[in-house]
Amino acid sequence: DQQVKQNSPSLSVQEGRISILNCDYTNSMFDYFLWYKKYPAEGPTFLISISSIKDKNEDGRFTVFLNKSAKHLSLHIVPSQPGDSAVYFCAARANTGNQFYFGTGTSLTVIP
Amino acid sequence: KAGVTQTPRYLIKTRGQQVTLSCSPISGHRSVSWYQQTPGQGLQFLFEYFSETQRNKGNFPGRFSGRQFSNSRSEMNVSTLELGDSALYLCASSLLTVNTEAFFGQGTRLTVV
Repeated sequence: DQQVKQNSPSLSVQEGRISILNCDYTNSMFDYFLWYKKYPAEGPTFLISISSIKDKNEDGRFTVFLNKSAKHLSLHIVPSQPGDSAVYFCAARANTGNQFYFGTGTSLTVIP
Repeated sequence: KAGVTQTPRYLIKTRGQQVTLSCSPISGHRSVSWYQQTPGQGLQFLFEYFSETQRNKGNFPGRFSGRQFSNSRSEMNVSTLELGDSALYLCASSLLTVNTEAFFGQGTRLTVV
């Protein structure tokens, strides 16, 4: 049972425009959410996170939004750059343990 | 500060063999988790170790096992390899504090032929 879902396997965006990656979750016990970026043949790299007590967290070009009532989070990248092209995974952790649950990833392509 | 180190980076094994993968966490991190990544399946959780004890286990057969040593280094073992075990195996370490991220190694690419 996939508790964290990324329904868009891929996304293409023009350089300079906004990229919006979406993630849905089902477990109401999740209280910490993260986004990771992954290049081929490398491990995922932490990008940004948000705890359930917030609805927005910003770090430079990256902003994560959390809508707890909808069990939905999104990652906004503005402006998008070609170097942002990678697979993005969203992840969640419950307050009851240290296990991270990952989505299946969204492959972002930023077109120059 | 050194990151998470996984060895070897690449491995080719024959069906039926067994394999051991190694992970050295970031210094000071006592929690080590293992994940399997296959195309279209995202990162599937295998197990998590803390202070040499397995605390969480994912939905994988008993052929997948692991252990953690007193220095927090961890090993993962897969016995009786099957073709479907071909995947990227990722290790992640983290501090056991609230709202901290996991740091991943570069992974071990296992190919079973």
